[in-house]
Amino acid sequence: AQSVTQPDIHITVSEGASLELRCNYSYGATPYLFWYVQSPGQGLQLLLKYFSGDTLVQGIKGFEAEFKRSQSSFNLRKPSVHWSDAAEYFCAVNSGGGADGLTFGKGTHLIIQP
Amino acid sequence: GAVVSQHPSWVICKSGTSVKIECRSLDFQATTMFWYRQFPKQSLMLMATSNEGSKATYEQGVEKDKFLINHASLTLSTLTVTSAHPEDSSFYICSARYNVGETQYFGPGTRLLVL
Repeated sequence: AQSVTQPDIHITVSEGASLELRCNYSYGATPYLFWYVQSPGQGLQLLLKYFSGDTLVQGIKGFEAEFKRSQSSFNLRKPSVHWSDAAEYFCAVNSGGGADGLTFGKGTHLIIQP
Repeated sequence: GAVVSQHPSWVICKSGTSVKIECRSLDFQATTMFWYRQFPKQSLMLMATSNEGSKATYEQGVEKDKFLINHASLTLSTLTVTSAHPEDSSFYICSARYNVGETQYFGPGTRLLVL
């Protein structure tokens, strides 16, 4: 069975500083990988996704993520965070086919310090 | 584009009653819709997958007689929590997908509180 691990429950970053959120997955083949952001009172918004090809993917709001097969990782990065980036971030995986829903990590709560 | 709505956004009900939650894809046809459940400060857990015109496929441990799912059209899926109990209180989120391999788009969620 596939699984996703986000080792950091909370991360605090100063506004303007760089950010990296970690995500490791367990899956037999190359999975489809996603990062979503959840703000209070709002639905999950897709930041970026990796299906195949270039392992460095660009997303919305200045986020990027890099797929590293050797490390089974898909870490999310942003060079300079803004106060509006404070939210819950979820890494997710699925097989990309059939009727599979997404398997989510437990999420990382991002706090931005002024 | 790719907007998914849910109604209601929150609901409070008495124990033993049934509650219906609607999930609509507003600007695309969703051949597949997914229902997730999220407990406070926890991750989303997939409950079931529904394909338009077919019976839903439930994840292990999810009672299909408890959580009735109907996907009668390409833009609407409903989740009915039957004979709700306090332990059913949770945040229910749906997502919709146009086709296999496409991105899932999520609704804003429905918060259910059973007293």
